[in-house]
Amino acid sequence: NAGVTQTPKFQVLKTGQSMTLQCAQDMNHEYMSWYRQDPGMGLRLIHYSVGAGITDQGEVPNGYNVSRSTTEDFPLRLLSAAPSQTSVYFCASINPSGRRAFFGQGTRLTVV
Amino acid sequence: QQQVKQSPQSLIVQKGGISIINCAYENTAFDYFPWYQQFPGKGPALLIAIRPDVSEKKEGRFTISFNKSAKQFSLHIMDSQPGDSATYFCAASPGTASKLTFGTGTRLQVTL
Repeated sequence: NAGVTQTPKFQVLKTGQSMTLQCAQDMNHEYMSWYRQDPGMGLRLIHYSVGAGITDQGEVPNGYNVSRSTTEDFPLRLLSAAPSQTSVYFCASINPSGRRAFFGQGTRLTVV
Repeated sequence: QQQVKQSPQSLIVQKGGISIINCAYENTAFDYFPWYQQFPGKGPALLIAIRPDVSEKKEGRFTISFNKSAKQFSLHIMDSQPGDSATYFCAASPGTASKLTFGTGTRLQVTL
């Protein structure tokens, strides 16, 4: 039972490049979320999903796309990377009661 | 606009002492208030959580105190240990944990 798995762990992008951050969970949870963590700002919600085919925007969605074609996977796409997107990204999977979020180990992204 | 304000930013406590971290929220729709613990290089992990229908919840050395009228809640760590040294985040959400709003974090250091 791996829980929430994020790949890659580290990534360096050039400005304007695109990439996909992968997130997979093996707990059969319907709810999943993406957050970014920046120094002094805590974690901020980017996008979330309440089930396959259903996604919605969080607090800071600009520059990011998501889709949820399966229960297990919730990828986050950066369309055209900008230095302001340098951050640590965390994916979370939420249990059926909706009250506990399990976080992955994070992806540290640097945009140069 | 920071909807969940957390203080202090950092805290140094001697082994065996009490660590206290405070949070205040603005959105009266919030009805779930968890605390997360994060070690360097790891994702946040749920420590303890409370709902607004109770004023206090205790789990081992960790206690949440909740004041609904003041819109404040706090984490108390009794008999603090060096292994408690980590960053602590308060959070709040309306309903499920898929849409958490985090505080800015408190870096706790427990000295010998």
